[in-house]
Amino acid sequence: GENVEQHPSTLSVQEGDSAVIKCTYSDSASNYFPWYKQELGKGPQLIIDIRSNVGEKKDQRIAVTLNKTAKHFSLHITETQPEDSAVYFCAAPGPGRLYFGRGTQLTVWP
Amino acid sequence: DAMVIQNPRYQVTQFGKPVTLSCSQTLNHNVMYWYQQKSSQAPKLLFHYYDKDFNNEADTPDNFQSRRPNTSFCFLDIRSPGLGDAAMYLCATSSGTGEQPQHFGDGTRLSIL
Repeated sequence: GENVEQHPSTLSVQEGDSAVIKCTYSDSASNYFPWYKQELGKGPQLIIDIRSNVGEKKDQRIAVTLNKTAKHFSLHITETQPEDSAVYFCAAPGPGRLYFGRGTQLTVWP
Repeated sequence: DAMVIQNPRYQVTQFGKPVTLSCSQTLNHNVMYWYQQKSSQAPKLLFHYYDKDFNNEADTPDNFQSRRPNTSFCFLDIRSPGLGDAAMYLCATSSGTGEQPQHFGDGTRLSIL
């Protein structure tokens, strides 16, 4: 199955700074890469996803970039706010399912 | 709003006493998933239904069973819960498998006494 590696496992930034989380995957046939945000006591929520026909996608302060040649994709959060504090998971598809990275605990300090 | 609803949000059961967790969806999605998530870990897929077709992950213990009586509802049955089964159980849905977004409920936190 797909092998998804996610780094870093923890990330602390000052409010207003940018945060970047990186993931690599193993299956070159994969074409869909979602990012999920999980707040304490809640289920993961899809925040952005990208398909392999584009290299970058933006939604306000959030962007995802994809490098299919290198098999990695990244989440970029600009102008971070305390409410961005959460665990973020990347994922890549496999037969009938998604494979999740181990997660990144992002803490934004006011 | 269309959504995925899990009940109850918190469940306490005794060691060895069967427990059932429920999930309902208003998205009319074909696929429903059950995940187990332990503290500081990624969700671990237990099984999923594509319509009525049941797909079990190879490492899911036999202690875990599931039922999907119709499109909207799916149940997770734990026949004889052990202390190691204490976790958050997440239900998710999608319109297809693999390369489609999954929509998660807020989970059921299961405690074992």
